[in-house]
Amino acid sequence: AQSVTQLGSHVSVSEGALVLLRCNYSSSVPPYLFWYVQYPNQGLQLLLKYTSAATLVKGINGFEAEFKKSETSFHLTKPSAHMSDAAEYFCAVSLNFGNEKLTFGTGTRLTIIP
Amino acid sequence: DTGVSQDPRHKITKRGQNVTFRCDPISEHNRLYWYRQTLGQGPEFLTYFQNEAQLEKSRLLSDRFSAERPKGSFSTLEIQRTEQGDSAMYLCASSPPRSRAIYTGELFFGEGSRLTVL
Repeated sequence: AQSVTQLGSHVSVSEGALVLLRCNYSSSVPPYLFWYVQYPNQGLQLLLKYTSAATLVKGINGFEAEFKKSETSFHLTKPSAHMSDAAEYFCAVSLNFGNEKLTFGTGTRLTIIP
Repeated sequence: DTGVSQDPRHKITKRGQNVTFRCDPISEHNRLYWYRQTLGQGPEFLTYFQNEAQLEKSRLLSDRFSAERPKGSFSTLEIQRTEQGDSAMYLCASSPPRSRAIYTGELFFGEGSRLTVL
């Protein structure tokens, strides 16, 4: 069985500041990890994914995440927050690439302070 | 390509009534998924189809829930004798064949159907 834990249900950062959203995973096999974003009144959209290639993964809108096996983490970062980044972010895990039966975390709502 | 479409977007019903949600996936996407999202939680897997075959159902899908994808295109999710605990956002997602060069492992989500049971 696999699971993800997102630390912090709400995160607030100032515009221009570093964004760090935390995700730790638990998996009995090498995981495939995803970050999805949900803007208000929109469907979930893939930000980036880790599929056992490069451990540093770059996604859309300037986000990136680093897979750290020793820490069982896949934290999401962005060097400089923008007002348009305000949204809910979900970390998810699946057993293998091509298996879209995802197990999601509880989400982190990101607020950007002007 | 207009993306995954779900209807209705909002449904308010009284306890004990039946409701049906429809999902139209992106054309040529052969897999279709249903997830449920309750307040403060992430989406939870309910069931999925490959073409018209329902290949897996979660234990969350009680016998009051039924999903169909009769012609391998759109899908319906019906909830019979609704309960207040069924109040949630029902999400549909689709993905293209894994053999296609465009396959990236991404699930394409609709905007969801929000159910409120009074």
